[in-house]
Amino acid sequence: EAAVTQSPRNKVAVTGGKVTLSCNQTNNHNNMYWYRQDTGHGLRLIHYSYGAGSTEKGDIPDGYKASRPSQENFSLILELATPSQTSVYFCASGLRGGEVFFGKGTRLTVV
Amino acid sequence: GDKVKQSPSALSLQEGTNSALRCNFSIAATTVQWFLQNPRGSLINLFYLVPGTKENGRLKSTFNSKESYSTLHIRDAQLEDSGTYFCAADTGNTRKLIFGLGTTLQVQP
Repeated sequence: EAAVTQSPRNKVAVTGGKVTLSCNQTNNHNNMYWYRQDTGHGLRLIHYSYGAGSTEKGDIPDGYKASRPSQENFSLILELATPSQTSVYFCASGLRGGEVFFGKGTRLTVV
Repeated sequence: GDKVKQSPSALSLQEGTNSALRCNFSIAATTVQWFLQNPRGSLINLFYLVPGTKENGRLKSTFNSKESYSTLHIRDAQLEDSGTYFCAADTGNTRKLIFGLGTTLQVQP
């Protein structure tokens, strides 16, 4: 089965600090995604990428940047973390129009 | 949750009984995925569907693109089936999955 690895799995950050969440996939999938999951909202798409060097805004991109330096790696960057960004973040990968596979998630707490 | 509506939002079943979960789409879905989020929080892939039906053990799922819905049938529910079930649709054009808000299932002994 496709493997998507997220790091760290848990993170506590201070308000105003910079946070980088990392994601690695070894499936040679073109597409990668960052979602956040909050009670009452389900999973919402933050940023996604079609391949190395590309990033696209999802449905809730404000306050987040993304970076896709290679086929395997996709990072989510919070330049100035705020308590409202406390959430569980999921990375995923997939082929265009194909099945999408998720990592185990990163629990981020901004204090 | 508006583009992909799941029902019911919560469900309690006795072990050994059957049930059906449903997703209705207000978008032109081309593929559908069903996931189970287990108590640890991991999203487990259950089904990836183009229009049609798939079966895996006690689970069976159908995706009807013309009528814009998908169903997940659980037969002979077991305790380990407990968790939150999500459906997600891809319209093909956007290359991104749009999720419903989930159905939380609790299977009672």
